[in-house]
Amino acid sequence: QKEVEQDPGPLSVPEGAIVSLNCTYSNSAFQYFMWYRQYSRKGPELLMYTYSSGNKEDGRFTAQVDKSSKYISLFIRDSQPSDSATYLCAMRTNGGSNYKLTFGKGTLLTMNP
Amino acid sequence: DAGVIQSPRHEVTEMGQEVTLRCKPISGHDYLFWYRQTMMRGLELLIYFNNNVPIDDSGMPEDRFSAKMPNASFSTLKIQPSEPRDSAVYFCASSTTGFSNQPQHFGDGTRLSIL
Repeated sequence: QKEVEQDPGPLSVPEGAIVSLNCTYSNSAFQYFMWYRQYSRKGPELLMYTYSSGNKEDGRFTAQVDKSSKYISLFIRDSQPSDSATYLCAMRTNGGSNYKLTFGKGTLLTMNP
Repeated sequence: DAGVIQSPRHEVTEMGQEVTLRCKPISGHDYLFWYRQTMMRGLELLIYFNNNVPIDDSGMPEDRFSAKMPNASFSTLKIQPSEPRDSAVYFCASSTTGFSNQPQHFGDGTRLSIL
């Protein structure tokens, strides 16, 4: 079993819809959870960052972490053409100076006009 | 502000040749990371440095890969000899220390093709 599982998609949704992306993981030591967005031929950029369990909202984006189920989600409201990208989840442990991130493979999201 | 700068953006070379990828981190960042991204394996950490010192190189696939950081503003990832299975997009990222939630800022990558 891989440490982080993410459905690669592609996921195609109409503009204005609510998008739900998710990842599951197996390492219960993961404490920090992130979502990165990656446009074609670009590097990933950080979208959301969450520590431990709970919800975090930033504009149209909401990140949820359920540590009991080892499951994290990213919701995008009022989806727009600019949201077409690959979304990668990433996580790391709380190991002092250990900044090593483990990434999911990414979900490709495309908007239908 | 300038972001992480990687060069070259594209590299095509023949099997057996030496390949050198370069990275200039964001000024003031004291962590530097090298990643490799493929369709099959996703984004994998190869090695990371703190204050120019390698901290974790457990992701380096084999002895053909080496990385150096001679100073705070420059790092190289070298593959010698290169093989077709090394074809991938290689990313460099940098971040600051202090707070654990400092994001890693990625460059736009080097797309490497080994023929």
